[in-house]
Amino acid sequence: KQEVTQIPAALSVPEGENLVLNCSFTDSAIYNLQWFRQDPGKGLTSLLLIQSSQREQTSGRLNASLDKSSGRSTLYIAASQPGDSATYLCAVRDNYGQNFVFGPGTRLSVLP
Amino acid sequence: ETGVTQTPRHLVMGMTNKKSLKCEQHLGHNAMYWYKQSAKKPLELMFVYSLEERVENNSVPSRFSPECPNSSHLFLHLHTLQPEDSALYLCASSQWDREGTEAFFGQGTRLTVV
Repeated sequence: KQEVTQIPAALSVPEGENLVLNCSFTDSAIYNLQWFRQDPGKGLTSLLLIQSSQREQTSGRLNASLDKSSGRSTLYIAASQPGDSATYLCAVRDNYGQNFVFGPGTRLSVLP
Repeated sequence: ETGVTQTPRHLVMGMTNKKSLKCEQHLGHNAMYWYKQSAKKPLELMFVYSLEERVENNSVPSRFSPECPNSSHLFLHLHTLQPEDSALYLCASSQWDREGTEAFFGQGTRLTVV
């Protein structure tokens, strides 16, 4: 059974810092990995999708990498801003049920 | 606007009530999902529909009953719920059997059972 973990559980940084969020998964047989952002009480907003054949995706200040063989992904946020404060979730879509298995999230606070 | 719309956004219901959650997607996807998000727990998959057929029922109690009348609409019928069922219920859609497809989520329904 696929399991997804995220480290750290919470992170607080001053504005302007670059930061890295980590995601690990136990079964490398995945279709893709997706990073989401969730603001309190709201739904999920898709940030980046990395297909199983890709190693990296970029969107603005965000860069996500994927190392499928080691079961890891990182989300890099450059020049963080207070508006980046949210919970960041990673999810893998596995080859078996084709469902999305989520990690518990990293709660990020960017202080002005 | 994500293309996935959920109604209502908030719902308070008693344990003896019957209510329904609605989800609609305008993305042309052929798969829809219900997830439950409780405090301090990862998102839990409840049901998956592909081409209007249920392909997964993730050991969900029978007091939750899904319905998918067509590929654009998904319902979650609720009856005789328990207080521990209070949570954020999220609907998502994607394209089944397509490796590179993204999942898109609605804004969720915040359910409180009293």
